[in-house]
Amino acid sequence: DAKTTQPTSMDCAEGRAANLPCNHSTISGNEYVYWYRQIHSQGPQYIIHGLKNNETNEMASLIITEDRKSSTLILPHATLRDTAVYYCIVALGNKLVFGAGTILRVKS
Amino acid sequence: DVKVTQSSRYLVKRTGEKVFLECVQDMDHENMFWYRQDPGLGLRLIYFSYDVKMKEKGDIPEGYSVSREKKERFSLILESASTNQTSMYLCASSLSEMLRYEQYFGPGTRLTVT
Repeated sequence: DAKTTQPTSMDCAEGRAANLPCNHSTISGNEYVYWYRQIHSQGPQYIIHGLKNNETNEMASLIITEDRKSSTLILPHATLRDTAVYYCIVALGNKLVFGAGTILRVKS
Repeated sequence: DVKVTQSSRYLVKRTGEKVFLECVQDMDHENMFWYRQDPGLGLRLIYFSYDVKMKEKGDIPEGYSVSREKKERFSLILESASTNQTSMYLCASSLSEMLRYEQYFGPGTRLTVT
C-alpha cells in the first residue's frame, strides 16, 4: 500500500473551513484514498473515500488532484467537536494501514 | 446506523491468563477486524476475517488467535497474556461490496496486563 504524509498538527477557528492536506505520491491506479478521524478515547470513524473524482457527503468534501498524488479533506464549518486526529489512508480493498495522522484542534 | 460493540471498555488481567475480547456487529457485515493501538505506533492490524470460520493474519498476529463462529461475532484470544500486550484493542467491520470498504469501529477495549 502507498504511504501517506500528513502534517503533524493544525489549528482551525470554529466556524471556518478546515483543510487537511495529504500527500500520497506513490499511489497506484486502483488504490483508494480514505479519511478517518479519531476523537479522544473513541474508535476511529469513517469520513469519506474516493478514487479519482472529488467526493462530498454530509461530513466533508474530498478533493483529489488530477495526478492523484495528493488530496485535501475539507470540513466546511469546523466545530469544537471536530477536534480529533485525522488519518489519510491509501489502500486497495479492506486492508487499511493507519499512520500517525494530523491532530486538528478547533479553537473558539 | 452500524453498531459495533465490544465486550468491555476496560480490562485488567494477569500475566499468563487466557483473555477473550469479544466484538459484535449488527449490520450483517462480512468482514471483521482486530487492531491494537499504541502510542507512537498507531493502529496495527492483528487479524481479520472475511467470512464465518475464515481468518487471515494481519501485520502482528504473534501471541493472538481469533474465532469467528457466527457472522456477527469476532473474538480475539490472547492465549497467555503478557505485559507487552497491554494496549487499546479495536474491533471493526465492513461490507464486501465493491466501493463500500469503509470500516466501522467499536469503542475499544483498554487492556492492562500486570
